[in-house]
Amino acid sequence: DAGVIQSPRHEVTEMGQEVTLRCKPISGHDYLFWYRQTMMRGLELLIYFNNNVPIDDSGMPEDRFSAKMPNASFSTLKIQPSEPRDSAVYFCASSSWTVSGANVLTFGAGSRLTVL
Amino acid sequence: SQQGEEDPQALSIQEGENATMNCSYKTSINNLQWYRQNSGRGLVHLILIRSNEREKHSGRLRVTLDTSKKSSSLLITASRAADTASYFCATDEGGAQKLVFGQGTRLTINP
Repeated sequence: DAGVIQSPRHEVTEMGQEVTLRCKPISGHDYLFWYRQTMMRGLELLIYFNNNVPIDDSGMPEDRFSAKMPNASFSTLKIQPSEPRDSAVYFCASSSWTVSGANVLTFGAGSRLTVL
Repeated sequence: SQQGEEDPQALSIQEGENATMNCSYKTSINNLQWYRQNSGRGLVHLILIRSNEREKHSGRLRVTLDTSKKSSSLLITASRAADTASYFCATDEGGAQKLVFGQGTRLTINP
């Protein structure tokens, strides 16, 4: 397996523009997580899915953020409109609860977002 | 919310020395995990310790867990330059499915 695949790796956009980040989890994994990492706030959990269903979105900062998982092999995180304070590295991670008996996460390489 | 808090925030040692990082958490847990992040990369799982375990080893890694003190430590023995990275503890906050990460310890191994 190629691991968790995220795109784009880098995104530079202007304030007010829509940003879409994409994630392909590891095949067979039934959990998918979106995290955001900044120097000030560290790693924050934004939302996670189980079997494509959103379970907990309490970490989503505000209505400008939305996430979807239309099928087991694809998820998106959308920011509309983007603001400079959204600049961060966004990580997608997947896991298989049944295999390990716990959620051991495999992370993607991250998408570095810069909003000017 | 930040469940795990690592200490120290930064650690610099000479190659060959042992490195110890600590993690404290607030609520009950089912398990605690340690992850490593190299600069510019995603996090990589290192080791998991369950709440009914007190110590676990994996190669040069040794993890301890004290549930009465709500704390864990990660020991890296005979450090190498390649161990330079940030190390994070993560907990499952009362057995929840989600993992909450601490702020991390930035470890630098000097050759």
